[in-house]
Amino acid sequence: NAGVMQNPRHLVRRRGQEARLRCSPMKGHSHVYWYRQLPEEGLKFMVYLQKENIIDESGMPKERFSAEFPKEGPSILRIQQVVRGDSAAYFCASSPSFARTYNEQFFGPGTRLTVL
Amino acid sequence: DQQVKQNSPSLSVQEGRISILNCDYTNSMFDYFLWYKKYPAEGPTFLISISSIKDKNEDGRFTVFLNKSAKHLSLHIVPSQPGDSAVYFCAASAEDSNYQLIWGAGTKLIIKP
Repeated sequence: NAGVMQNPRHLVRRRGQEARLRCSPMKGHSHVYWYRQLPEEGLKFMVYLQKENIIDESGMPKERFSAEFPKEGPSILRIQQVVRGDSAAYFCASSPSFARTYNEQFFGPGTRLTVL
Repeated sequence: DQQVKQNSPSLSVQEGRISILNCDYTNSMFDYFLWYKKYPAEGPTFLISISSIKDKNEDGRFTVFLNKSAKHLSLHIVPSQPGDSAVYFCAASAEDSNYQLIWGAGTKLIIKP
């Protein structure tokens, strides 16, 4: 009965490289949400996906960032040409269906991205 | 533009006493508020919530109070236990955007023996 899994837990990239963050939702969950937490700040919503669909990406920067949740496999948050300002903790949450109450969103342990 | 503010970065409380964590918000459209607890190296876990139609919600040792006129909510933990040491986040949502939580920066609660 595994929870939400994220890997890697820590990722170090040099400026200009690509970062790929993976999120495997809980079994039976088909909705995934990505959040970013900058140092000394709260979490900020980035994107909401269902299998093969992006429902809302209004919180995601328009350039360099993309997300997908394929029919098979984990959800991927991809950051191209990383910059130092991308250094943050990235959290993924999942829910079995559209989470009308927030206790239905279960969070993973996060990926801490450090850009050198 | 911080719509949800937790002005105390940290709080230290003696074991057995009451812990009170505060949260202020600016957006009058928020109608649902939540508290999450986060341990180091783990994701946030849901703790307790309150709808704007209520002014209090209680669950065991945890009680959340909402003062809409002051745009203020607080989380009371009584009695405080060592396992309560964690970072507590306040979050809010508006009816027209009910999965986009707006989060405060968190308050680190330290329970002293």
